[in-house]
Amino acid sequence: DGGITQSPKYLFRKEGQNVTLSCEQNLNHDAMYWYRQDPGQGLRLIYYSQIVNDFQKGDIAEGYSVSREKKESFPLTVTSAQKNPTAFYLCASSIWGAIPGELFFGEGSRLTVL
Amino acid sequence: AQKVTQAQTEISVVEKEDVTLDCVYETRDTTYYLFWYKQPPSGELVFLIRRNSFDEQNEISGRYSWNFQKSTSSFNFTITASQVVDSAVYFCALSERNNAGNMLTFGGGTRLMVKP
Repeated sequence: DGGITQSPKYLFRKEGQNVTLSCEQNLNHDAMYWYRQDPGQGLRLIYYSQIVNDFQKGDIAEGYSVSREKKESFPLTVTSAQKNPTAFYLCASSIWGAIPGELFFGEGSRLTVL
Repeated sequence: AQKVTQAQTEISVVEKEDVTLDCVYETRDTTYYLFWYKQPPSGELVFLIRRNSFDEQNEISGRYSWNFQKSTSSFNFTITASQVVDSAVYFCALSERNNAGNMLTFGGGTRLMVKP
């Protein structure tokens, strides 16, 4: 089945540790995105990537890092510099074009800092 | 700066009732796109509709309908004869034409609970 796979679904981390969330897509989409979801705040964009080896900061990039070495993969690292990392993280992909297209989302990764 | 407001944080209805989810947006651009997404308990957001700013026709898809009014900057979503499977969080989102990255600005979401 075509879609987006995020792992792990649940992750616990101690303060001061970096963690990496995986996102893989087989939709052949050029663009990929990472969003953070907090209760009552909707989704906020962390990073996005239009093509391989290129990515741009979103609204809340501080304390996060990404890489885009392959078209299919866009991992997100939550670093120890992120002050409030407990949240639900959603990865998405889309066709890249002049008109914003439909975003396809994964099922998310819930990160809890102990 | 673009902004999307969904004033209703939570709505509870009984099955078969009609329900309208409100969405108000702010943008300085004359060309923009509006979206609705559904987030079921499984977590992934599912695309429902995209509308561009030049098309104010209302749209109906089965039990779903959307009312776009530029005069009030609103893009409301109505579910007719609601069902338990409609229970989810619904997000309204906006993207401006000049927005690098096709980025969406999401509202805070409305949690809809449909009781049997």
